[in-house]
Amino acid sequence: EDKVVQSPLSLVVHEGDTVTLNCSYEVTNFRSLLWYKQEKKAPTFLFMLTSSGIEKKSGRLSSILDKKELFSILNITATQTGDSAVYLCAVGINAGNNRKLIWGLGTSLAVNP
Amino acid sequence: DTGVSQDPRHKITKRGQNVTFRCDPISEHNRLYWYRQTLGQGPEFLTYFQNEAQLEKSRLLSDRFSAERPKGSFSTLEIQRTEQGDSAMYLCASSLEEGSGNTIYFGEGSWLTVV
Repeated sequence: EDKVVQSPLSLVVHEGDTVTLNCSYEVTNFRSLLWYKQEKKAPTFLFMLTSSGIEKKSGRLSSILDKKELFSILNITATQTGDSAVYLCAVGINAGNNRKLIWGLGTSLAVNP
Repeated sequence: DTGVSQDPRHKITKRGQNVTFRCDPISEHNRLYWYRQTLGQGPEFLTYFQNEAQLEKSRLLSDRFSAERPKGSFSTLEIQRTEQGDSAMYLCASSLEEGSGNTIYFGEGSWLTVV
């Protein structure tokens, strides 16, 4: 069965800390891995990763994929209270003629001032 | 076009009533998805369309749920005879087909509360 596991499930840090969120997966027909940030509304897209070892960066956020070890990490440096959210990882797979996203349960990040 | 839009954003309904949600995808996107999300869970896939064709439906989509995308643009998700367990956020998302690597963009979601 295809699955995506995120860790930790929740995390509390202080402003300025650096955090690393993990996403591991076991799927057939891997296509891509996506990170989303979800506050009290729908998820917003952060990164899409398809190749191993290539870091993607956006401001204080960065992410990298390891297709050999089947995981990805999302780093947030110099955290701010506005980073408080649930971070969702999803893996896109090919399923016959269709494509699916397999979701993790998310990591709930709380950044305290 | 500013993104995926959903309507209504919030709906409170009595058990047994029917509700309908509308989704307008990003205009050039030919794929449209419906997801359901409850507290503490990731989005659960319900169904998706490529243009007007409904290509896949989840087992979660019971016979009380129906989705349409008649002209390949906007879509509706109808829930008949609502139950309290239907209370959730219903998310619509859209994407391009090939070449997008499955990057999908979500709407703001429609919150349903069944009382």
